[in-house]
Amino acid sequence: GAGVSQSPSNKVTEKGKDVELRCDPISGHTALYWYRQSLGQGLEFLIYFQGNSAPDKSGLPSDRFSAERTGGSVSTLTIQRTQQEDSAVYLCASSLQVPGANVLTFGAGSRLTVL
Amino acid sequence: AQTVTQSQPEMSVQEAETVTLSCTYDTSESDYYLFWYKQPPSRQMILVIRQEAYKQQNATENRFSVNFQKAAKSFSLKISDSQLGDAAMYFCAYMGNSGYSTLTFGKGTMLLVSP
Repeated sequence: GAGVSQSPSNKVTEKGKDVELRCDPISGHTALYWYRQSLGQGLEFLIYFQGNSAPDKSGLPSDRFSAERTGGSVSTLTIQRTQQEDSAVYLCASSLQVPGANVLTFGAGSRLTVL
Repeated sequence: AQTVTQSQPEMSVQEAETVTLSCTYDTSESDYYLFWYKQPPSRQMILVIRQEAYKQQNATENRFSVNFQKAAKSFSLKISDSQLGDAAMYFCAYMGNSGYSTLTFGKGTMLLVSP
């Protein structure tokens, strides 16, 4: 696609429910990143994919968070048993993994509100 | 671990004036990239400018330029002839150049532009 697509744009859920957030990267971008942006905070790294594998998932805050990527394209971030502190904007980015050309292009994010 | 510090939570500028946003970073790497991203209310992160650490010449993009001081680990953004459309949150970010690397962000500076 022309840009990075994320869905849903906004999600309101009740505490304890599971949510799935989707990211469709730019076609041909092998690297995919998830970040979390809490109110008034910078962007917190969650996980990085190269192809379908995740060499760095060090930013996932707990075992309630997981992510997968299939076909080297679409990625899904799943949050189980959501808590109020999970409320944030979840941003996805993709890039070509070429030294010197690794500029990340971001989607518009998914705003998650946990009541 | 790399850290990025933006010490100005908010800055104000009048239209047509010049404003400088500050950023410092900490790293033990010698080769890396520095970025400024703009995030308007739409949440879409937009790349403003990029600097390769091995280049001594400061990057410029139209009205946007940087003052890169490698020894001081400082990377400020200058916006000339400010426009109302420049109003946004600005994030400074760091990326290493060893193997793969992720973007590490500062907490951001909110830029207000008044007529």
